[in-house]
Amino acid sequence: GAVVSQHPSWVICKSGTSVKIECRSLDFQATTMFWYRQFPKQSLMLMATSNEGSKATYEQGVEKDKFLINHASLTLSTLTVTSAHPEDSSFYICSAEARGINNEQFFGPGTRLTVL
Amino acid sequence: AQSVTQLGSHVSVSEGALVLLRCNYSSSVPPYLFWYVQYPNQGLQLLLKYTTGATLVKGINGFEAEFKKSETSFHLTKPSAHMSDAAEYFCALDTGNQFYFGTGTSLTVIP
Repeated sequence: GAVVSQHPSWVICKSGTSVKIECRSLDFQATTMFWYRQFPKQSLMLMATSNEGSKATYEQGVEKDKFLINHASLTLSTLTVTSAHPEDSSFYICSAEARGINNEQFFGPGTRLTVL
Repeated sequence: AQSVTQLGSHVSVSEGALVLLRCNYSSSVPPYLFWYVQYPNQGLQLLLKYTTGATLVKGINGFEAEFKKSETSFHLTKPSAHMSDAAEYFCALDTGNQFYFGTGTSLTVIP
């Protein structure tokens, strides 16, 4: 089956620093990747949609200058949390839509970000 | 407007009892519907999905769901709960443009 990986799985950083999270589709090409944020015991909130080679589309209320998304290739998308603050602490999950497999998203295992 | 509603944020069942997790949706286009399971500190795992065709969908770990268009529902069931089923369950709707997640149902299995 299609596998999506995320790295790192858990990161702790100081307030004010930037953190990069990678999302990779390991055995398929992803035309579109999605970034979600999940607060404890809550559902997933879509942050942005990224298509390879183009700018990401951000959901209303998501600061695009704070959450930088780069979809450099068909197998890699990155989310950079710039100047992180404690309120950015959350579980970030990416998913990838496989080219040729309609309407199925494959989810990564998530990255837990803790900002001190 | 598109939406997914999961009735009951917490469901408790005894081990061996029937599991029923409710999901209703609203969609202006033919929906693709999914159930995902999430264990603590992990990502989402697909349990099953409905796209077209047979309305009764069987998934992994003994779960199944039935798409009922007249009721706009896609409830998840399992005949006999196991301790390992304790987790968070999410219903999701795909309209082709966007995924919509329900708020999740936390399933507790009582020994």
